[in-house]
Amino acid sequence: DIQMTQSPSSLSASVGDRVIITCQASQGIDIYLNWYQQKPGKAPKLLIYDASNLQTGVPSRFSGRGSGTDFTFSITNLQPEDIATYYCQQYDTLPLTFGGGTKVEIK
Amino acid sequence: EVQLVESGGGLIQPGGSLRLSCAASGFTFSNYWLNWVRQVPGEGLVWVARINTDGSGPIYADSVKGRFTISRDNAKNTVSLQMNSLRAEDTALYYCVRGATYYYDDYPSYRDVFDLWGQGTLVTVSS
Repeated sequence: DIQMTQSPSSLSASVGDRVIITCQASQGIDIYLNWYQQKPGKAPKLLIYDASNLQTGVPSRFSGRGSGTDFTFSITNLQPEDIATYYCQQYDTLPLTFGGGTKVEIK
Repeated sequence: EVQLVESGGGLIQPGGSLRLSCAASGFTFSNYWLNWVRQVPGEGLVWVARINTDGSGPIYADSVKGRFTISRDNAKNTVSLQMNSLRAEDTALYYCVRGATYYYDDYPSYRDVFDLWGQGTLVTVSS
């Protein structure tokens, strides 16, 4: 199975800050990497697909980049409503696997 | 409204069986792959199973292979997960999840991009 390693596992930032989360795959996955946001008590929501494509309706302060084994997810101008846990997910190879999540809090 | 609504969760003893259902609405159900993803409260997401548009080629995580069966009824817009020989480690919130379909020159490309999630149904395996 492809292991997805996310870091950090949690972070605290101020409103307006830029937040960066990394996701590393245990083997190359091309660009088959998605990012999800999960707010407390809610189902996950797709934000980014294929490493860098913004899902329709998602604010442009969210972005992603990378290919192969190393990926980054960014939130520019962090807003209070961005408090959530963020997950990466690879779909290059079955079984589909998720990163362990990054919990984002407001400082 | 485009949505997935799960049902069927509950408390079940180890070794027991449970059938989860997911009702879809607001989109052409037969044009999408469907998945089940589970999450132990407070923990991460784990993919469980996927079924193709016509019900062929179901695929499972090793942890549930031989115990769980995914199926779908395109006439009723439903997908189900039959769970047998349940274990304590199967305790989780189970999400029904749609895989995205993209069109290139009118041909569909089915992807494991999870673009629609249900609200989840909780399964608790305990004596």
